[in-house]
Amino acid sequence: NAGVMQNPRHLVRRRGQEARLRCSPMKGHSHVYWYRQLPEEGLKFMVYLQKENIIDESGMPKERFSAEFPKEGPSILRIQQVVRGDSAAYFCASFDYYNEQFFGPGTRLTVL
Amino acid sequence: TQLLEQSPQFLSIQEGENLTVYCNSSSVFSSLQWYRQEPGEGPVLLVTVVTGGEVKKLKRLTFQFGDARKDSSLHITAAQPGDTGLYLCAGEISGTYKYIFGTGTRLKVLA
Repeated sequence: NAGVMQNPRHLVRRRGQEARLRCSPMKGHSHVYWYRQLPEEGLKFMVYLQKENIIDESGMPKERFSAEFPKEGPSILRIQQVVRGDSAAYFCASFDYYNEQFFGPGTRLTVL
Repeated sequence: TQLLEQSPQFLSIQEGENLTVYCNSSSVFSSLQWYRQEPGEGPVLLVTVVTGGEVKKLKRLTFQFGDARKDSSLHITAAQPGDTGLYLCAGEISGTYKYIFGTGTRLKVLA
C-alpha cells in the first residue's frame, strides 16, 4: 500500500550472514506488524511493535530474530546467522486508529 | 493453535461467472479483514467487517461476517480477469491486536 516503505525489496545473503529489513510506516502511524510469507502460503504473524516497545513477539523465533521500532527512524527486523529456511517474503504492516493494517511491498530474502 | 481455513485453495473460472470464497475458524474474532495480493506485492485491504451478521458490498464484491464471528465469505459477481489474485482473510484475535491469516485462495479468471 502506498505510504508504507520497505527496503530493500530484495536481499540475498549467504548462510551465516546477517539480514536487516527496514520498514517505515505510514505518516502518523506508531504501530507496526511484521509477517513472514512462504511461497503459496498465507502470512504468519511474527511481532507487533509500538515505538520503543515490543507489544507481542510470540510469533518470532527466540533464536536469531529480533525486532525494534525506535523513537526515530524505521522499524528493523534483524535476522542473525541466516539459514536457508529463513528464505521468504517479509512484510510489515502499518496500523491505524481504525484497526486497519496497511502493508508494505515486502522484502524478499533469499539465503544461498 | 488458532487457524483460519480458506476454501477453495485454488479456483479457476471463466470471465462472467460468480464465485464464493469461504473463511472458517473455531475461534471468535473481534474483526475480520479481506485482502487481495498480487504477485510480488503486499496484501491490499479490501474490507473490514466487525459485527456478527454484517454484510458489506464493494461494487461486485460482497462480504459477510458470520453471526458468531467465526467465519466469513467473499462473493464475487461476474468475475473479471482483473479479479485474478490471492485472496486472504485475516481475523483479529479478541483483545490482542494480533491477526491470524487464512491459508489463502488463489483465483484465476480466464478471459
